[in-house]
Amino acid sequence: QKEVEQNSGPLSVPEGAIASLNCTYSDRGSQSFFWYRQYSGKSPELIMSIYSNGDKEDGRFTAQLNKASQYVSLLIRDSQPSDSATYLCVEDGGNKLVFGAGTILRVKS
Amino acid sequence: DTGVSQNPRHKITKRGQNVTFRCDPISEHNRLYWYRQTLGQGPEFLTYFQNEAQLEKSRLLSDRFSAERPKGSFSTLEIQRTEQGDSAMYLCASSWNTGELFFGEGSRLTVL
Repeated sequence: QKEVEQNSGPLSVPEGAIASLNCTYSDRGSQSFFWYRQYSGKSPELIMSIYSNGDKEDGRFTAQLNKASQYVSLLIRDSQPSDSATYLCVEDGGNKLVFGAGTILRVKS
Repeated sequence: DTGVSQNPRHKITKRGQNVTFRCDPISEHNRLYWYRQTLGQGPEFLTYFQNEAQLEKSRLLSDRFSAERPKGSFSTLEIQRTEQGDSAMYLCASSWNTGELFFGEGSRLTVL
């Protein structure tokens, strides 16, 4: 049974700071991971994917994967109030995506 | 591309009644998923279709839940003999591949 663990937060950061979101996963054989963002009252949307060890950058977002430690992270640089949302760490479970419970991020202006 | 459409958006029912939700996926997508989400939790997988074939169903899903996708187009999720614990947001998503799911706005079920 695949499981993804996240700290529920909330994580509060000031505007312009770096927000660091983390998760761990249980299945050592898992290959692909995703970060989805969910605004309050809305549905999740994909913001990043990562398939290999190391870092992947896309604009203000950097996803990091460490398969040896079974650890995935998302860094958001220059955080904006519009980044305030729940961030879901997601594992590719074959025919489905396995979602963590999410970390609430609050960016204060 | 009109996105994933779900109906009804909100359903209030009494315990023991049956409810049915409909999902119209993005037309080019062959994969369709149903998830359930409760407050403070991430989406929980219910079932997956590739075209009209139901390829996976969560072991956590009771026999009261059934889903169909006739002709590989729209899908329905039926819950029989609803219980208060069924109250949740039911999310439908479609995709071309496993990674990027496009979610609908969800159907919120309230069981009284």
